[in-house]
Amino acid sequence: GESVGLHLPTLSVQEGDNSIINCAYSNSASDYFIWYKQESGKGPQFIIDIRSNMDKRQGQRVTVLLNKTVKHLSLQIAATQPGDSAVYFCAENMDSSYKLIFGSGTRLLVRP
Amino acid sequence: KAGVTQTPRYLIKTRGQQVTLSCSPISGHRSVSWYQQTPGQGLQFLFEYFSETQRNKGNFPGRFSGRQFSNSRSEMNVSTLELGDSALYLCASNLQGASGYTFGSGTRLTVV
Repeated sequence: GESVGLHLPTLSVQEGDNSIINCAYSNSASDYFIWYKQESGKGPQFIIDIRSNMDKRQGQRVTVLLNKTVKHLSLQIAATQPGDSAVYFCAENMDSSYKLIFGSGTRLLVRP
Repeated sequence: KAGVTQTPRYLIKTRGQQVTLSCSPISGHRSVSWYQQTPGQGLQFLFEYFSETQRNKGNFPGRFSGRQFSNSRSEMNVSTLELGDSALYLCASNLQGASGYTFGSGTRLTVV
């Protein structure tokens, strides 16, 4: 498959454990944030998003936390499964900019 | 419904040539943006189009250009290819005012 990033930080977790992936974003004016999952040979897949007027948002097995004070975003995955193995990217956006700024990504490896 | 479709899936070109990549957005999506993904630089914004107008452009040389047609389909062109242009080129479409950008699977361009 294609190499998304040769030197990405890697998080290795046991199947069934919870995973926490962190991201520091760059622009305090960003008002929209997205987490993407990218598997080998595929484009980024939307996981969950959050707007800057929120601190937390939950989806199915995933939770995103936003700390605007320190410009930090995290993705929590509950009961991590082998299918969760992928590279995860955070992205920030200002509605008026029409572009996403991506973080460098984290590789998640799930041990059976 | 059909997702974002990018063609071709793979491409090999020689230095100095030019290349055109195509993207068909999700039906009803009028915003199309392009990103370059490399192991060294990660995901970087190229440009965004809405209703045939470029609304934002990333920090890439003028060899990179794009356009959008009245049916929202988009093309990007890279002229005078360099080895460093080898990358995965991703297209994303977005429904104005809605959440999330949906990505295609990308075109893998290799310049030899």
